[in-house]
Amino acid sequence: DAGITQSPRHKVTETGTPVTLRCHQTENHRYMYWYRQDPGHGLRLIHYSYGVKDTDKGEVSDGYSVSRSKTEDFLLTLESATSSQTSVYFCAISESKVGQGNTDTQYFGPGTRLTVL
Amino acid sequence: ILNVEQSPQSLHVQEGDSTNFTCSFPSSNFYALHWYRWETAKSPEALFVMTLNGDEKKKGQISATLNTKEGYSYLYIKGSQPEDSATYLCAFIRSSGGGADGLTFGKGTHLIIQP
Repeated sequence: DAGITQSPRHKVTETGTPVTLRCHQTENHRYMYWYRQDPGHGLRLIHYSYGVKDTDKGEVSDGYSVSRSKTEDFLLTLESATSSQTSVYFCAISESKVGQGNTDTQYFGPGTRLTVL
Repeated sequence: ILNVEQSPQSLHVQEGDSTNFTCSFPSSNFYALHWYRWETAKSPEALFVMTLNGDEKKKGQISATLNTKEGYSYLYIKGSQPEDSATYLCAFIRSSGGGADGLTFGKGTHLIIQP
């Protein structure tokens, strides 16, 4: 299994509070991704990173920010959580950017279940 | 927004039977298609990466085919076992400029194998 951990695994918070989710990898992969998974929507990309301090937006980036100060850590922040951000959040990594490497397979972390009351 | 459709949405199959389901994607600007298997309470795991029209991939009793010209991929499971119960996701990658966009996932086919 790829060495990917997410913390916390579960969190309950209140509307308006800031929340930070952490993704940590031990594979030294360049690319890291944050997805959210909701019933009826499947997996949707929030943000991704293609290197330290290099990030870009995905399909559903509004209300989220990310940071990557080290290769191994990719942080997702909800500045002011809303109930619509209740979801399961998955981090993924890939050795190279999709479409530009020998393998484009994404390896997923165990997920973080976030509930915003 | 890319349209990646999977059908059926859910499927109940008797143990030992074979089954298949479909992923449909845009037939233009194809780069690659991924299949993932997602068991309840776990995270998605890669099954196949398919890049060429006519590709056929196999892993144990699971196989997949790809038709990029008409924009579909089939996943087949031969002799289903209860441990094959999972949601099967496909993810489409579009070619853009000198590389490719990120993955756009379908909503999955939820497969339940009944003993």
